[in-house]
Amino acid sequence: QQQVKQSPQSLIVQKGGIPIINCAYENTAFDYFPWYQQFPGKGPALLIAIRPDVSEKKEGRFTISFNKSAKQFSLHIMDSQPGDSATYFCAAKTGTASKLTFGTGTRLQVTL
Amino acid sequence: SQTIHQWPATLVQPVGSPLSLECTVEGTSNPNLYWYRQAAGRGLQLLFYSVGIGQISSEVPQNLSASRPQDRQFILSSKKLLLSDSGFYLCAWRGQGAKEQYFGPGTRLTVT
Repeated sequence: QQQVKQSPQSLIVQKGGIPIINCAYENTAFDYFPWYQQFPGKGPALLIAIRPDVSEKKEGRFTISFNKSAKQFSLHIMDSQPGDSATYFCAAKTGTASKLTFGTGTRLQVTL
Repeated sequence: SQTIHQWPATLVQPVGSPLSLECTVEGTSNPNLYWYRQAAGRGLQLLFYSVGIGQISSEVPQNLSASRPQDRQFILSSKKLLLSDSGFYLCAWRGQGAKEQYFGPGTRLTVT
């Protein structure tokens, strides 16, 4: 019940394309859903996050869509650039200690 | 502004040797602190978290331990390393009352 399932495992898009990464969860106690971007050999960086009472949040070229009834959320990257090539992780928070449960990651490659 | 440090950046240790990884946070008081492990090509697994000095909660039974001797210092230790302890160890912090977790640069541990 604590799992967060993420797909696809890897994704290749051309420059300017819109990659979409999907995550699904079961635990209705999750109350905050962040996305992290990780470059090789670096720590994950917080990219964007959403609360379950919001259906969409946009920050720059990054958009989270959230479907509470389906228990699914997704990350869209508009006008993707080669510099967006990285591994993306979704996560879900629960509890007062704010423990995060992570998806298994999506390796994105943006080609020229 | 807040910054998080981890050291060492890389470490190669023989099986059976002890381990001590350190994490410190600057620019904040009484943060929640977290230790995660990331296996190659995998997601992040929460190992320990701390809500205050001397308060440690373990998420995964294993031969690792954590301590928080000072408000902004978090240490991950082992008395005898196993091959399976190899991985990328990440420390994260969260401000009081905040939802966001911010990660450090990580320590790459290879047990030989």
